[in-house]
Amino acid sequence: AQSVTQPDIHITVSEGASLELRCNYSYGATPYLFWYVQSPGQGLQLLLKYFSGDTLVQGIKGFEAEFKRSQSSFNLRKPSVHWSDAAEYFCAVVRGSGNTPLVFGKGTRLSVIA
Amino acid sequence: DTGVSQNPRHKITKRGQNVTFRCDPISEHNRLYWYRQTLGQGPEFLTYFQNEAQLEKSRLLSDRFSAERPKGSFSTLEIQRTEQGDSAMYLCASSLTGGGNQPQHFGDGTRLSIL
Repeated sequence: AQSVTQPDIHITVSEGASLELRCNYSYGATPYLFWYVQSPGQGLQLLLKYFSGDTLVQGIKGFEAEFKRSQSSFNLRKPSVHWSDAAEYFCAVVRGSGNTPLVFGKGTRLSVIA
Repeated sequence: DTGVSQNPRHKITKRGQNVTFRCDPISEHNRLYWYRQTLGQGPEFLTYFQNEAQLEKSRLLSDRFSAERPKGSFSTLEIQRTEQGDSAMYLCASSLTGGGNQPQHFGDGTRLSIL
């Protein structure tokens, strides 16, 4: 069965510092991978997605992620964090090869300090 | 594209009552998903539809949970005889049909609180 692991429950970074959020997946074939962001009391907003091709994908709000098959990882990065980036971040994988339900990690809460 | 709309945003009810939530997907999306999110966890899949057909319901948490999408547009999720453990955020998402490369777009959720 597919699974997603986000090892860091909570990360605190200073505004302007770089950010990397970790995500590891377990899936037997080429996965479809996603990062979503959730602000308190809100739904999830898609940041970026990976299906195939270039392993470095660009998303909204200045985020990028790199797919590394050898490490089963899909880490999210941002070179300079803004206070408005404080939120919960979820990594997810599609459960099957088709357009099927997502399997989510438990999320990483990002705090940004001045 | 008006986005996925969920109503109500908040629902407070007493244990044992029935509740119903509504989801209006993005208009051209024929896939509709329901997820549940408890505090400190990622969303957990419950059920999904292709147009009016419910493709999977085995993940619904108990027989107190049911969902329908009668005309292939909006969907409702009903919980009968609510229990304390049902307190959670219920999220709806929609997508186009296709391969896994069709991203799901989420609504803002309905937060259920059981007194």
